[in-house]
Amino acid sequence: SQELEQSPQSLIVQEGKNLTINCTSSKTLYGLYWYKQKYGEGLIFLMMLQKGGEEKSHEKITAKLDEKKQQSSLHITASQPSHAGIYLCGADIGAGGTSYGKLTFGQGTILTVHP
Amino acid sequence: GAGVSQSPSNKVTEKGKDVELRCDPISGHTALYWYRQSLGQGLEFLIYFQGNSAPDKSGLPSDRFSAERTGGSVSTLTIQRTQQEDSAVYLCASSLPVLRGGYTFGSGTRLTVV
Repeated sequence: SQELEQSPQSLIVQEGKNLTINCTSSKTLYGLYWYKQKYGEGLIFLMMLQKGGEEKSHEKITAKLDEKKQQSSLHITASQPSHAGIYLCGADIGAGGTSYGKLTFGQGTILTVHP
Repeated sequence: GAGVSQSPSNKVTEKGKDVELRCDPISGHTALYWYRQSLGQGLEFLIYFQGNSAPDKSGLPSDRFSAERTGGSVSTLTIQRTQQEDSAVYLCASSLPVLRGGYTFGSGTRLTVV
């Protein structure tokens, strides 16, 4: 089984709708990173969360890390076609949160936004 | 450079041939990572370099895979005797020693073994 589970695996929404993507781990997350990937391109860093209960926003995207640091959600408000792509969560789930850099990634969520 | 540069962007090779993939990290980034992304799979960690420390090779799938990082900068991932299951996008990323801003990824090399 995946160490990081993302849900849903794919999502199709109408432009203007809100949506949420979840990233869940059975282990404590020491540093949770959200990335976006467009087809044929590399990953673009969105946000990093480290503290339980932390919430960050950038434009219409908000990410939260729950108090137990085992789940994160990414919420997009009033989605636009430009939000379409693959969203991946990555986390340091190494022992003791050494954060030396090796990240484990979820399988990704494919987001399609219809105009 | 301004970003992480990978070359080639696309590579088609015959089964059994060797290939070399190149990564040029952001200047000043001492940490460099290779990941592999296969169709329907997430990112699979391959290898990690940090400064002059011994690399973490724990993700390399077989002894056909190897990587070097010369002078603490450019890295080359070599796959010997390529197999069809090696077909994937190979992504390189770099970061500062303390991972506060996340990795910066290159655009990847799409490898197709025919």
